[in-house]
Amino acid sequence: GDSVTQMEGPVTLSEEAFLTINCTYTATGYPSLFWYVQYPGEGLQLLLKATKADDKGSNKGFEATYRKETTSFHLEKGSVQVSDSAVYFCALRDGYNKLIFGAGTRLAVHP
Amino acid sequence: KAGVTQTPRYLIKTRGQQVTLSCSPISGHRSVSWYQQTPGQGLQFLFEYFSETQRNKGNFPGRFSGRQFSNSRSEMNVSTLELGDSALYLCASSRDRDRVEKLFFGSGTQLSVL
Repeated sequence: GDSVTQMEGPVTLSEEAFLTINCTYTATGYPSLFWYVQYPGEGLQLLLKATKADDKGSNKGFEATYRKETTSFHLEKGSVQVSDSAVYFCALRDGYNKLIFGAGTRLAVHP
Repeated sequence: KAGVTQTPRYLIKTRGQQVTLSCSPISGHRSVSWYQQTPGQGLQFLFEYFSETQRNKGNFPGRFSGRQFSNSRSEMNVSTLELGDSALYLCASSRDRDRVEKLFFGSGTQLSVL
């Protein structure tokens, strides 16, 4: 079945450092891909999405490009802030219109 | 506009008991989905309801059930609780069925089974 694999956390960075969180997927066809963020004590929020190959999703300084050759959708940000500390989930929409999530990657940013 | 509301926020139960969780979707949203979040398994899809009918179901035992009312509010029930049912249960709503990218999540109900 469809699946999503994310790099394990936690990822610990200093403020203004460059962030990459790796995400790869296995799926039939070309599913829509998503990054969600979960701040402490809150539900998930959609961060960005891409619906077809080579699409780049972006929001709040975060970016991810849909790469069908490598079946990847890595999340990047050029300069992280303390307020970016959260858990990040990569996900795909499967053929039954439900979301398949990765295990999540915790990011801790220190001043 | 109020967000997705889940009650209660925290719940403590013992093995063998049953529990009911509630979800009120955003006004106008007719689709409600439930997810289980655990440290070991991550986020897993439980089921989706639309127009009071279950439209999609994940790979969970029959102890997990749900329903949706005419006002789109949804409840999830877990019977004969096991220790492994301890998790954060998240509810998400969307206006229509085919709008998974327009899902809005609640803050969840944290269930602890002792």
